[in-house]
Amino acid sequence: AQKVTQAQTEISVVEKEDVTLDCVYETRDTTYYLFWYKQPPSGELVFLIRRNSFDEQNEISGRYSWNFQKSTSSFNFTITASQVVDSAVYFCALLIPGNQFYFGTGTSLTVIP
Amino acid sequence: DAGVTQSPTHLIKTRGQQVTLRCSPKSGHDTVSWYQQALGQGPQFIFQYYEEEERQRGNFPDRFSGHQFPNYSSELNVNALLLGDSALYLCASSWGLEQFFGPGTRLTVL
Repeated sequence: AQKVTQAQTEISVVEKEDVTLDCVYETRDTTYYLFWYKQPPSGELVFLIRRNSFDEQNEISGRYSWNFQKSTSSFNFTITASQVVDSAVYFCALLIPGNQFYFGTGTSLTVIP
Repeated sequence: DAGVTQSPTHLIKTRGQQVTLRCSPKSGHDTVSWYQQALGQGPQFIFQYYEEEERQRGNFPDRFSGHQFPNYSSELNVNALLLGDSALYLCASSWGLEQFFGPGTRLTVL
């Protein structure tokens, strides 16, 4: 069975602090894809990143970085020098090719000015 | 290029009624998926349409049905509405692994 766990329900940080959002996944498939989406109050899910199961190289995009570790089945997301505009709900998701998306329950991030 | 569009934005229905939600995919996308997102939860997969046929289905009752048209747009129909059907319904269009979500339709069942 597939499952995505985001243990952090809510996080509050002060602007300019770094914050890491945790994501742990479960699957027996060897080929899969992991995603992070941002959901602002407007409701639309905004794509942030996709990684495949064969590429554990960490990725950095501006203030965002992602750490993928198959050994611990984790795909964590770090925001450096957080800003108020980063306030949103963030979802981690798992996709098995030919199957459906499995989303975590989300982490609500509040950045306090 | 317009992204994924959904209509209506908000909808209020009463128990037992039927509702139809609509989705227009991003240009070039041939696959449409529907998700239900209850308050405080992650999106739950309802079903996916490709070439006008339901290709995959999540754990939702038959009250939830859909359709895809030749232009790839899609409808989600829910019959005999229950209070528990109140949620944000998200449509996602995809081509390969590229998937984009629409802004959603907020359905409230009274």
